[in-house]
Amino acid sequence: GENVEQHPSTLSVQEGDSAVIKCTYSDSASNYFPWYKQELGKRPQLIIDIRSNVGEKKDQRIAVTLNKTAKHFSLHITETQPEDSAVYFCAAIEGNTGKLIFGQGTTLQVKP
Amino acid sequence: DTGVSQDPRHKITKRGQNVTFRCDPISEHNRLYWYRQTLGQGPEFLTYFQNEAQLEKSRLLSDRFSAERPKGSFSTLEIQRTEQGDSAMYLCASSLMGLGLEAFFGQGTRLTVV
Repeated sequence: GENVEQHPSTLSVQEGDSAVIKCTYSDSASNYFPWYKQELGKRPQLIIDIRSNVGEKKDQRIAVTLNKTAKHFSLHITETQPEDSAVYFCAAIEGNTGKLIFGQGTTLQVKP
Repeated sequence: DTGVSQDPRHKITKRGQNVTFRCDPISEHNRLYWYRQTLGQGPEFLTYFQNEAQLEKSRLLSDRFSAERPKGSFSTLEIQRTEQGDSAMYLCASSLMGLGLEAFFGQGTRLTVV
Protein backbone atom coordinates (compact mmCIF):
# COMPACT_ATOMS: atom_id res chain seq x y z
CA GLY A 1 0.00 0.00 0.00
CA GLU A 2 0.85 3.66 -0.10
CA ASN A 3 3.33 5.16 2.38
CA VAL A 4 3.85 8.90 2.88
CA GLU A 5 6.83 10.45 4.62
CA GLN A 6 6.81 14.12 5.68
CA HIS A 7 9.64 16.44 6.72
CA PRO A 8 10.42 18.37 8.80
CA SER A 9 8.38 17.47 11.86
CA THR A 10 8.73 21.01 13.23
CA LEU A 11 9.48 24.26 11.47
CA SER A 12 9.95 27.70 12.99
CA VAL A 13 10.16 30.82 10.81
CA GLN A 14 10.00 34.56 11.28
CA GLU A 15 6.92 36.37 10.12
CA GLY A 16 7.33 37.28 6.47
CA ASP A 17 9.71 34.45 5.69
CA SER A 18 8.85 31.46 3.50
CA ALA A 19 8.15 27.94 4.75
CA VAL A 20 8.60 24.71 2.81
CA ILE A 21 7.33 21.29 3.81
CA LYS A 22 8.27 18.19 1.83
CA CYS A 23 6.62 14.82 1.37
CA THR A 24 7.49 11.64 -0.46
CA TYR A 25 5.16 8.85 -1.47
CA SER A 26 5.71 5.26 -2.50
CA ASP A 27 2.86 4.29 -4.86
CA SER A 28 3.44 5.54 -8.38
CA ALA A 29 -0.27 5.00 -9.09
CA SER A 30 -1.29 7.74 -6.62
CA ASN A 31 -2.78 10.65 -8.54
CA TYR A 32 -4.07 13.12 -5.97
CA PHE A 33 -2.16 14.91 -3.22
CA PRO A 34 -3.98 17.20 -0.79
CA TRP A 35 -2.58 19.33 1.99
CA TYR A 36 -4.47 19.90 5.22
CA LYS A 37 -4.01 22.50 7.94
CA GLN A 38 -5.07 21.54 11.44
CA GLU A 39 -5.27 24.00 14.30
CA LEU A 40 -5.26 22.72 17.86
CA GLY A 41 -8.47 20.87 18.67
CA LYS A 42 -9.97 21.48 15.23
CA ARG A 43 -10.68 19.46 12.12
CA PRO A 44 -8.16 19.12 9.29
CA GLN A 45 -8.97 21.79 6.69
CA LEU A 46 -8.11 21.26 3.03
CA ILE A 47 -5.91 24.20 1.96
CA ILE A 48 -4.65 23.13 -1.44
CA ASP A 49 -4.38 20.00 -3.56
CA ILE A 50 -2.69 18.86 -6.72
CA ARG A 51 -3.43 16.16 -9.23
CA SER A 52 -0.79 14.13 -10.98
CA ASN A 53 -1.37 15.76 -14.37
CA VAL A 54 0.08 19.11 -13.22
CA GLY A 55 3.42 20.05 -11.73
CA GLU A 56 2.51 23.15 -9.76
CA LYS A 57 -0.53 24.90 -8.35
CA LYS A 58 -0.79 28.25 -6.60
CA ASP A 59 -3.43 29.87 -4.44
CA GLN A 60 -2.39 33.29 -3.17
CA ARG A 61 0.48 32.72 -0.69
CA ILE A 62 0.31 28.93 -0.93
CA ALA A 63 1.77 26.75 -3.67
CA VAL A 64 2.27 23.04 -4.12
CA THR A 65 4.73 21.37 -6.47
CA LEU A 66 4.74 17.75 -7.60
CA ASN A 67 7.58 15.70 -9.06
CA LYS A 68 6.06 12.42 -10.22
CA THR A 69 9.37 10.95 -11.32
CA ALA A 70 10.92 11.42 -7.90
CA LYS A 71 7.59 10.79 -6.14
CA HIS A 72 7.72 13.85 -3.99
CA PHE A 73 5.60 16.94 -3.47
CA SER A 74 6.07 20.09 -1.47
CA LEU A 75 4.05 22.86 0.15
CA HIS A 76 5.37 26.39 -0.08
CA ILE A 77 3.99 29.22 2.03
CA THR A 78 5.29 32.70 1.29
CA GLU A 79 5.06 35.83 3.42
CA THR A 80 4.14 33.76 6.46
CA GLN A 81 1.86 35.26 9.09
CA PRO A 82 1.31 34.24 12.73
CA GLU A 83 -2.11 32.81 11.77
CA ASP A 84 -0.31 30.31 9.54
CA SER A 85 0.92 28.60 12.73
CA ALA A 86 -0.64 25.14 12.81
CA VAL A 87 0.06 21.50 12.01
CA TYR A 88 0.20 20.75 8.30
CA PHE A 89 -0.40 17.28 6.87
CA CYS A 90 0.31 16.05 3.39
CA ALA A 91 -1.56 13.06 2.04
CA ALA A 92 -1.75 10.82 -0.98
CA ILE A 93 -4.78 9.00 -2.25
CA GLU A 94 -4.53 5.22 -2.46
CA GLY A 95 -5.86 3.53 -5.56
CA ASN A 96 -9.47 4.15 -6.52
CA THR A 97 -10.78 4.03 -3.00
CA GLY A 98 -10.34 7.70 -2.19
CA LYS A 99 -8.62 6.57 0.99
CA LEU A 100 -6.06 9.12 2.18
CA ILE A 101 -2.68 8.10 3.55
CA PHE A 102 -1.30 10.93 5.66
CA GLY A 103 2.20 12.06 6.47
CA GLN A 104 3.27 12.46 10.07
CA GLY A 105 2.60 16.19 10.14
CA THR A 106 4.69 19.36 10.40
CA THR A 107 4.18 21.80 13.25
CA LEU A 108 4.76 25.26 11.80
CA GLN A 109 5.43 28.14 14.16
CA VAL A 110 5.50 31.65 12.73
CA LYS A 111 7.14 34.07 15.13
CA PRO A 112 5.89 37.65 15.03
CA ASP B 1 -24.11 24.24 8.25
CA THR B 2 -23.81 22.07 5.16
CA GLY B 3 -20.47 20.48 6.09
CA VAL B 4 -19.71 17.15 7.68
CA SER B 5 -21.05 16.95 11.21
CA GLN B 6 -20.18 14.53 13.99
CA ASP B 7 -21.82 13.80 17.28
CA PRO B 8 -20.89 13.88 20.08
CA ARG B 9 -17.91 16.22 20.04
CA HIS B 10 -16.52 14.75 23.23
CA LYS B 11 -17.09 11.47 25.00
CA ILE B 12 -15.63 10.26 28.28
CA THR B 13 -16.33 6.65 29.09
CA LYS B 14 -15.17 4.03 31.53
CA ARG B 15 -13.08 1.16 30.32
CA GLY B 16 -15.25 -1.74 29.23
CA GLN B 17 -18.24 0.39 28.20
CA ASN B 18 -19.58 0.59 24.66
CA VAL B 19 -19.70 3.87 22.76
CA THR B 20 -21.30 4.93 19.48
CA PHE B 21 -20.46 7.91 17.34
CA ARG B 22 -22.46 9.41 14.49
CA CYS B 23 -21.36 11.12 11.31
CA ASP B 24 -23.56 13.04 8.89
CA PRO B 25 -21.70 13.61 5.62
CA ILE B 26 -22.23 16.33 3.04
CA SER B 27 -25.57 15.33 1.54
CA GLU B 28 -24.54 14.59 -2.04
CA HIS B 29 -21.34 12.75 -1.06
CA ASN B 30 -21.49 9.01 -1.69
CA ARG B 31 -18.24 8.11 0.04
CA LEU B 32 -17.76 8.26 3.78
CA TYR B 33 -14.53 7.55 5.67
CA TRP B 34 -13.61 7.03 9.30
CA TYR B 35 -10.14 7.92 10.55
CA ARG B 36 -8.53 7.85 13.96
CA GLN B 37 -6.05 10.47 15.07
CA THR B 38 -3.88 10.26 18.16
CA LEU B 39 -1.96 13.20 19.58
CA GLY B 40 0.90 14.31 17.36
CA GLN B 41 0.04 11.92 14.54
CA GLY B 42 -1.69 12.16 11.21
CA PRO B 43 -5.15 10.64 10.77
CA GLU B 44 -5.09 6.88 10.21
CA PHE B 45 -7.65 5.22 7.96
CA LEU B 46 -10.13 2.89 9.66
CA THR B 47 -12.86 2.10 7.15
CA TYR B 48 -14.91 3.53 4.30
CA PHE B 49 -18.30 3.24 2.67
CA GLN B 50 -19.49 3.83 -0.82
CA ASN B 51 -23.18 4.48 -0.44
CA GLU B 52 -24.29 1.82 2.08
CA ALA B 53 -21.58 -0.72 1.24
CA GLN B 54 -18.58 -1.00 3.53
CA LEU B 55 -15.78 -1.57 1.04
CA GLU B 56 -12.64 -1.67 3.15
CA LYS B 57 -11.60 -2.08 6.77
CA SER B 58 -8.14 -1.37 8.07
CA ARG B 59 -6.23 -3.94 10.08
CA LEU B 60 -6.31 -1.27 12.80
CA LEU B 61 -10.01 -1.99 13.17
CA SER B 62 -10.26 -4.80 15.68
CA ASP B 63 -13.42 -6.88 16.03
CA ARG B 64 -14.50 -4.55 18.84
CA PHE B 65 -15.12 -1.89 16.22
CA SER B 66 -18.09 -1.90 13.88
CA ALA B 67 -19.36 0.68 11.46
CA GLU B 68 -22.57 1.01 9.53
CA ARG B 69 -24.10 3.29 6.97
CA PRO B 70 -27.57 1.74 6.67
CA LYS B 71 -29.20 4.03 4.13
CA GLY B 72 -26.14 5.45 2.47
CA SER B 73 -26.49 8.69 4.38
CA PHE B 74 -25.29 8.99 7.99
CA SER B 75 -22.87 6.49 9.51
CA THR B 76 -22.24 5.16 12.99
CA LEU B 77 -19.04 3.83 14.50
CA GLU B 78 -19.40 1.63 17.56
CA ILE B 79 -16.61 0.56 19.87
CA GLN B 80 -17.42 -2.29 22.23
CA ARG B 81 -15.60 -3.00 25.49
CA THR B 82 -13.53 0.17 25.23
CA GLU B 83 -9.88 0.11 26.24
CA GLN B 84 -7.62 2.99 27.23
CA GLY B 85 -5.77 2.59 23.93
CA ASP B 86 -8.98 3.57 22.13
CA SER B 87 -8.62 7.12 23.42
CA ALA B 88 -8.22 9.27 20.32
CA MET B 89 -9.97 11.69 18.00
CA TYR B 90 -12.30 9.88 15.62
CA LEU B 91 -12.71 11.81 12.39
CA CYS B 92 -15.27 11.32 9.68
CA ALA B 93 -14.77 12.58 6.14
CA SER B 94 -16.89 12.48 3.01
CA SER B 95 -16.22 12.84 -0.67
CA LEU B 96 -17.90 12.44 -4.01
CA MET B 97 -16.68 9.56 -6.10
CA GLY B 98 -15.92 10.57 -9.62
CA LEU B 99 -14.66 13.98 -10.66
CA GLY B 100 -14.22 15.31 -7.15
CA LEU B 101 -11.56 13.72 -4.97
CA GLU B 102 -11.61 16.31 -2.23
CA ALA B 103 -12.42 14.91 1.19
CA PHE B 104 -13.94 17.16 3.82
CA PHE B 105 -13.62 16.36 7.49
CA GLY B 106 -16.02 16.70 10.35
CA GLN B 107 -15.04 18.26 13.67
CA GLY B 108 -14.30 14.87 15.12
CA THR B 109 -15.32 13.06 18.28
CA ARG B 110 -12.71 13.07 21.00
CA LEU B 111 -12.94 9.86 23.01
CA THR B 112 -11.33 9.54 26.41
CA VAL B 113 -11.41 6.13 28.07
CA VAL B 114 -10.76 6.26 31.81
